[in-house]
Amino acid sequence: GAGVSQSPSNKVTEKGKDVELRCDPISGHTALYWYRQSLGQGLEFLIYFQGNSAPDKSGLPSDRFSAERTGGSVSTLTIQRTQQEDSAVYLCASSWVINQPQHFGDGTRLSIL
Amino acid sequence: TQLLEQSPQFLSIQEGENLTVYCNSSSVFSSLQWYRQEPGEGPVLLVTVVTGGEVKKLKRLTFQFGDARKDSSLHITAAQPGDTGLYLCAGEEGGNKLVFGAGTILRVKS
Repeated sequence: GAGVSQSPSNKVTEKGKDVELRCDPISGHTALYWYRQSLGQGLEFLIYFQGNSAPDKSGLPSDRFSAERTGGSVSTLTIQRTQQEDSAVYLCASSWVINQPQHFGDGTRLSIL
Repeated sequence: TQLLEQSPQFLSIQEGENLTVYCNSSSVFSSLQWYRQEPGEGPVLLVTVVTGGEVKKLKRLTFQFGDARKDSSLHITAAQPGDTGLYLCAGEEGGNKLVFGAGTILRVKS
């Protein structure tokens, strides 16, 4: 596709369940980023990938959060044992290489009941 | 982690008025970006400023980067209802990590 694609667009799940969020970056973009946006707040950096490696995982809020990227393309963000405070919009962005403008997807709105 | 403070948090104005949004930090950024976000969509990049004192214009929008590269402003002339949205500034930290301000919600009434 022409832009960054994220799925699902909405996810409602019960507290304690695991969730997996998917990001399909713009074709050819080597860098991929995950952010979290809570209501009334700006975007919080979670993790970025250069190719398949993640040089900086410092933004992940806890060890329940993990992310991987395979084949230099699709990335998944996994949240284990979800908590209510995990409710937010999770945004993915990609760029051709690092230090180039980031293009955002429309996000996954995650609601934990 | 460096912090960016945006002000005001919310702005409601009439069509045709001018407005300025501010983005301030005590830290220096290598570059600063402005985004606009509409409900249910991801942020869309408006501009990147890199050089201290730099001014960039995008139609009715004027962006300025402070001389010390710690602050920036976005000025909109003759605002239109189509300018309504969430405006976010973001500073580039080391390792290509973007630090975002909390955003300014702009509502332009016709």
